[in-house]
Amino acid sequence: DVKVTQSSRYLVKRTGEKVFLECVQDMDHENMFWYRQDPGLGLRLIYFSYDVKMKEKGDIPEGYSVSREKKERFSLILESASTNQTSMYLCASSPLPVGGEYFGPGTRLTVT
Amino acid sequence: AQTVTQSQPEMSVQEAETVTLSCTYDTSESDYYLFWYKQPPSRQMILVIRQEAYKQQNATENRFSVNFQKAAKSFSLKISDSQLGDAAMYFCAYRSALRANSKLTFGKGITLSVRP
Repeated sequence: DVKVTQSSRYLVKRTGEKVFLECVQDMDHENMFWYRQDPGLGLRLIYFSYDVKMKEKGDIPEGYSVSREKKERFSLILESASTNQTSMYLCASSPLPVGGEYFGPGTRLTVT
Repeated sequence: AQTVTQSQPEMSVQEAETVTLSCTYDTSESDYYLFWYKQPPSRQMILVIRQEAYKQQNATENRFSVNFQKAAKSFSLKISDSQLGDAAMYFCAYRSALRANSKLTFGKGITLSVRP
């Protein structure tokens, strides 16, 4: 079974802190994704990566950056956390040719 | 740009009954994939079923089946013999098949409750 793991299930940070969310997949998938999920808004894509060191902006990249130094790991970085970044963050991976995504358990981030 | 619309925010079904969740999408592309994902409360999102647009036959996975109407751009999910474990949020999603690294576009989801 494909396994996508995220470093934390729950995280509480203060405004202005730098926040790292880590995601690891164990199936050698080329594509990796970061989404945020908010009630009434569904899932919105923040960034995705289709290869090591490659990244593309999604629909809502502002305030976020990403890093993919190894194929299995995709990090989401909040350079200076703000309260409007309080959300559920979901990481996903998928193989090529693209099919459906495999999701991690999510990180519920609260910024106070 | 593609859009996915799930117009019903909530639905309820009696255990053992059948329920249909609606989804419509808008695209100018001819080749694409459609998906239904399930997200149980506080649990991981999982892929329920996938449909390839060039296939006319509706996809089926055990108690889950789709009604894919390409001309109408409609993609509904039918759950037969509903079980308590089917209670979850369900998301419809679209992906282009024309680009190798296309992204998923999700609808806003529908919350399904199952009455015992």
